[in-house]
Amino acid sequence: ELKVEQNPLFLSMQEGKNYTIYCNYSTTSDRLYWYRQDPGKSLESLFVLLSNGAVKQEGRLMASLDTKARLSTLHITAAVHDLSATYFCAVAGSYNTDKLIFGTGTRLQVFP
Amino acid sequence: DAGVIQSPRHEVTEMGQEVTLRCKPISGHNSLFWYRQTMMRGLELLIYFNNNVPIDDSGMPEDRFSAKMPNASFSTLKIQPSEPRDSAVYFCASSLGQGRAFFGQGTRLTVV
Repeated sequence: ELKVEQNPLFLSMQEGKNYTIYCNYSTTSDRLYWYRQDPGKSLESLFVLLSNGAVKQEGRLMASLDTKARLSTLHITAAVHDLSATYFCAVAGSYNTDKLIFGTGTRLQVFP
Repeated sequence: DAGVIQSPRHEVTEMGQEVTLRCKPISGHNSLFWYRQTMMRGLELLIYFNNNVPIDDSGMPEDRFSAKMPNASFSTLKIQPSEPRDSAVYFCASSLGQGRAFFGQGTRLTVV
C-alpha cells in the first residue's frame, strides 16, 4: 500500500528565509504533484514532476523529484507572507494509474 | 471551462438522513476522484472512476457510502444513513490521463 509522508507538518518561518519541505513515498511511482491549499479553500495545482531528476520552478518555489530515493522536495526561497498556506504532495498509486494518494500536508506560516 | 463544479457548497443534515453530493467534472477529463478532508485524517481518497467506471473504491469507509458516475459529466456520492462522524469537506477532482487533477470547491458537510 502506498504511503506518502511529509515533513515537517508545521513550519513557521520568517520572511526572507529559505526552507525545504520533504515528501517521502513508500512504493515506486512515476508521477508526483504538489498542491497548495489556502484556509477554507480548494486545492490548487503547483507542479507536476514526471521523471527522475525533474525540477520545476515558479517564483519563490522550486520542486524536485528523486525517484530512486522516493523523495521530492519543495524549496522556498526568500519567503513572503503570501506563501502562507498548506502544501501537499500527491503521488500516483502505481504506473499506468491515475489514483493519487496525498501526503499529510505541511502547514506553512510566514511572519514578518 | 468553469472547472470542476460541486453542489451543494454547504450541507447541514440530521443524523440518519440521506445526503447526496454532486459533481460535474471538467469536460473531456476521463478520471474523477472523490476525496474527504478532515483535520484528523487529512485528505483521503474515497473512490476513483476512469471512463465512468469505478476503478478503486477501497477508500469508501463503509456500506453507507456509495458513488455513481452515470455519464462523463456527472457523479454523485451518497451517504445513507449519515452519521456525525461523516462531517468533513468532500472534494471532487477530475483529470485527463496522467495529468494533474483539478479540484472543485468542495462540499462542507455537517451532520448533527
